[in-house]
Order: sequence, then C-alpha cells, then structure tokens
Amino acid sequence: DAGITQSPRYKITETGRQVTLMCHQTWSHSYMFWYRQDLGHGLRLIYYSAAADITDKGEVPDGYVVSRSKTENFPLTLESATRSQTSVYFCASSNVRVASGDTQYFGPGTRLTVL
Amino acid sequence: SQKIEQNSEALNIQEGKTATLTCNYTNYSPAYLQWYRQDPGRGPVFLLLIRENEKEKRKERLKVTFDTTLKQSLFHITASQPADSATYLCALDKTGNAGNMLTFGGGTRLMVKP
Repeated sequence: DAGITQSPRYKITETGRQVTLMCHQTWSHSYMFWYRQDLGHGLRLIYYSAAADITDKGEVPDGYVVSRSKTENFPLTLESATRSQTSVYFCASSNVRVASGDTQYFGPGTRLTVL
Repeated sequence: SQKIEQNSEALNIQEGKTATLTCNYTNYSPAYLQWYRQDPGRGPVFLLLIRENEKEKRKERLKVTFDTTLKQSLFHITASQPADSATYLCALDKTGNAGNMLTFGGGTRLMVKP
C-alpha cells in the first residue's frame, strides 16, 4: 500500500523555468491539497481539489497551476519559477467523512530550490 | 483577521515529564480541531481530532482539550520520551462543513531530553 507519494523529492531549478511537482495517492481519496511550508509561515494552502476536474484556489495560489484529470493524481506546476517559490511542498489527501473530520494524509514533501 | 497561534519557541522538557503545548485561535468558530506531528524532512502525521462539543480526548499517552470559550486547545504528552521529540501542529477547519479546508498553526517544536 503506497499511500501518497510525491516526486521528485528534491529539485533545483532556475528562475523563469517551468517546474511540475507530482502527487499520487492510492486510496481513491476525493480531496487532494497542495501546501507550501516556509519558516515563519507554517503550512499554507496553495490549491485544493474536491474531485477529478474540480479545483479551487487556497491561500497562496499566485504563480501556480493545478490540474486533476484522474482521482489519484494532482500535479502542481510553477509556470515561471521565482526565487520566492523556494520552499518545501507537501501534497495531502482526505477522504471526506464526518466521522474522520477531514483528517489529511500527507506525502513526504518536495524540497524545491529556485536559483 | 483569523489567526492560529502556537508557541514558536521550542519546548524543552525532561524525559518522563508531561509536555503541554498550546494552540490559540481568534476569529474562528471551528467545528473541530486536529493535532499533527511532523518529524524533520517528513510530512505531518495526524494524531488526534477533537470536536467542539468534546472537552477532552485521549489516545494512549496523548490528551487534547478544547475550550471554545477561551478559544484554546491544549495538547499533553504524559511520560514523555525522547522519541516524542518533533514539531506539533494544530489545525482548524473554518466552518465545520464536510470537506472544508484546514488551516494550520505554525507548530511548536518539542525536545525531550533523556
């Protein structure tokens, strides 16, 4: 049972380049999320998706694009990377049920450095 | 504006003692609150959830309280061990509707010394 995986785990890129971070979950959870984690800011929601083909903005969506053509995949694309997007990115999923209270399951993270 | 505050300073305690971490919030009316553990280089892992109509929740050595009047949750680890050293995050939903988003606090780092 792989759970939720992210790739790559580490990425170094240059300003202006397009970068795609991948997220894959094997639970068929309906909800998926992308967060960034920075010192002094904690986890901040970038985008989320309630189901395939349904996505919405979170707290810090500027400069990012998401898609969700299949339930299990939720890629995050930085269209033109900037240094301020250097961060650790976490993908998470949730199977919405009242009993579980939307507990989220996180991937291992991708450490992205933009030079 | 809505805020979730956790003590940003590390909490250092001796093995065997009880660790108490605080999560304060303003301008929220969360239906429930969750606590997560995060180890260096890893994603957060869910620990406990407590609902607004629950005062206390326990799981093994962990205990969470939720005071909606004070707008505060306390997270206790009894008989702490060095393996409990990690960063602990609290998270609140905004409206309590199913599928609603969570907002996370900045986390408190706990260091348990042998």
